[in-house]
Amino acid sequence: QVTLRESGPALVKPTQTLTLTCSFSGFSLTSERTCVTWLRQPPGKALEWLALIDRDDDKYYNSSLKSRLTISKDTSKNQVVLTLANVDPVDTGTYYCARTHADFYYGSGRGAFDVWGQGTVVTVSS
Amino acid sequence: EIVMTQSPATLSVSPGERATLTCRASETLTTHLAWYQQKRGQAPRLLVYGASTRATGVPARFSGSGSGTEFTLTISSLQSEDSAVYYCQQYETWPPGNTFGQGTKVEIK
Repeated sequence: QVTLRESGPALVKPTQTLTLTCSFSGFSLTSERTCVTWLRQPPGKALEWLALIDRDDDKYYNSSLKSRLTISKDTSKNQVVLTLANVDPVDTGTYYCARTHADFYYGSGRGAFDVWGQGTVVTVSS
Repeated sequence: EIVMTQSPATLSVSPGERATLTCRASETLTTHLAWYQQKRGQAPRLLVYGASTRATGVPARFSGSGSGTEFTLTISSLQSEDSAVYYCQQYETWPPGNTFGQGTKVEIK
């Protein structure tokens, strides 16, 4: 069974760096055309894709947030970490990690996402 | 940068009736279009990918169609458990944006 779980702080102060961890099981990031991605959803708003990492350690970012985002993986621990620098209250929302794999991975960071974590709620406030 | 526009914003349908949701892209796509269902307080669930392929375990009453700039998700016979927000997402354009629409809320009359 494929599962993903997000973890990280519930409250972050403005200008700080947010670090989130996605722990997954039931699949390997060494598998061909398998990737892990991060997305977020502000309260009452639509989904926004943030970043994706593939088995070759290639990293892809939302161009509007690229300067603030870093994604990395620890294959031995089955974890993917996302950092978001210099957070602002507009970064408040639910952050999700999700998987994509061969059937719906178009390549070069572009894919649909078949299994999602339950999400972790992050509030940015002083 | 591609923009995905969904209509209507809210759709109210009686049980057993058909619901038709539309997603329009500001640029031409081939078939790299997905649909998700998100119930209140839950993570999204992949329903359709490749514009028309149902994901594993998705009931046959959900069907996707379209290409180019207009795509449709049809729920052939609405069930009470289908009350949710539905999002479309393109995964074709470069640089990758994996862009979502703003969602259509489906309500049961």
